[in-house]
Amino acid sequence: AQRVTQPEKLLSVFKGAPVELKCNYSYSGSPELFWYVQYSRQRLQLLLRHISRESIKGFTADLNKGETSFHLKKPFAQEEDSAMYYCALWDNQGGKLIFGQGTELSVKP
Amino acid sequence: KAGVTQTPRYLIKTRGQQVTLSCSPISGHRSVSWYQQTPGQGLQFLFEYFSETQRNKGNFPGRFSGRQFSNSRSEMNVSTLELGDSALYLCASISTRGLAGGRSSYEQYFGPGTRLTVT
Repeated sequence: AQRVTQPEKLLSVFKGAPVELKCNYSYSGSPELFWYVQYSRQRLQLLLRHISRESIKGFTADLNKGETSFHLKKPFAQEEDSAMYYCALWDNQGGKLIFGQGTELSVKP
Repeated sequence: KAGVTQTPRYLIKTRGQQVTLSCSPISGHRSVSWYQQTPGQGLQFLFEYFSETQRNKGNFPGRFSGRQFSNSRSEMNVSTLELGDSALYLCASISTRGLAGGRSSYEQYFGPGTRLTVT
């Protein structure tokens, strides 16, 4: 079954500390993965996607097909990074995004 | 480009009533998806429309329906509302681009959502 798992509901770090938000997936096919972010009282917005191999706001994510993971990383967290982060998998057959349950990142000063 | 707009932003209904939510996608985007977001179930896919046709449907009862107009605007309707239908309903406007090997990449741009409360 197609599935996205984000094992941490809440991740709390101090400003300047490294951050890693975990995402594992299950998909029979070539996966296309995304990270979305939802800041307080704002809409869900695309942070990055694995096919772009880009870095947005200092975040990067590498697709590891062997471990079926797509963890989101940032070397030095900032207070403005505090938000809900969702890992999502594009289900080509179903024509939809499959979301993980989300991880709330809290960056303390 | 203007982003995805959804109306109304907030709605309070009582059980048994019906409701219609509206979504205007980004100009030029022909595909629209709808998702339901709740604290318990997270983000779940409702349906997707392309050129006025429903292409995909999630695992929701028949009380949930939608349609798309020729200008790509979309509406979703929920009939006989239940308390459990209280949620944030998100519309996404979909951008498609071709990749090497004949594959396509889909980027979804979300609207602010309509917060539906059923009492």
